[in-house]
Amino acid sequence: GNSVTQMEGPVTLSEEAFLTINCTYTATGYPSLFWYVQYPGEGLQLLLKATKADDKGSNKGFEATYRKETTSFHLEKGSVQVSDSAVYFCALGHQGAQKLVFGQGTRLTINP
Amino acid sequence: GAVVSQHPSWVICKSGTSVKIECRSLDFQATTMFWYRQFPKQSLMLMATSNEGSKATYEQGVEKDKFLINHASLTLSTLTVTSAHPEDSSFYICSAVEGGQSGYTFGSGTRLTVV
Repeated sequence: GNSVTQMEGPVTLSEEAFLTINCTYTATGYPSLFWYVQYPGEGLQLLLKATKADDKGSNKGFEATYRKETTSFHLEKGSVQVSDSAVYFCALGHQGAQKLVFGQGTRLTINP
Repeated sequence: GAVVSQHPSWVICKSGTSVKIECRSLDFQATTMFWYRQFPKQSLMLMATSNEGSKATYEQGVEKDKFLINHASLTLSTLTVTSAHPEDSSFYICSAVEGGQSGYTFGSGTRLTVV
């Protein structure tokens, strides 16, 4: 079956540090991959996505590359800010409005 | 971009009462909507998938008679928690998919507290 495994948190960094949150997946076929962010008390917001191998999704300084050979979609940001503090979810989905499969989430805290 | 409105954002109810949560797609037609439940500091657990005009498909272990889902139009799906108990207290989130697209748009969630 399909599954997503995320780096365990919580992760605490200082402002301007480099961020990597690991995500690996197991899937049949050719899924799309997503990173969602959840701020306290809110729903999920799409951060970035990639729909095929070697695609790079990027948004707000965050990047992730769809690596089929390593079945990974690691999230990176070169210089984090306090406002990046949130929970980050890696997810995969297939075409045709099938359900998303989520990782367990990684709580990120950035200290000034 | 696509917007999904979820209402209410929070609700407190007494044990034994029912609560209805609405999920609306504001600027697109959602052929499919998903309902998730999230416990504190945990990931999202898919409860059910609803398709407009047909019965919802529930995930294993989710009581369909307790969590009633109605998707009567292309812009509205509702989740009714019937005879709520304290253990139903949770954060419920919906998401919607525009017909033929692979994008998922999430509502802002509803925090339900049963006292």
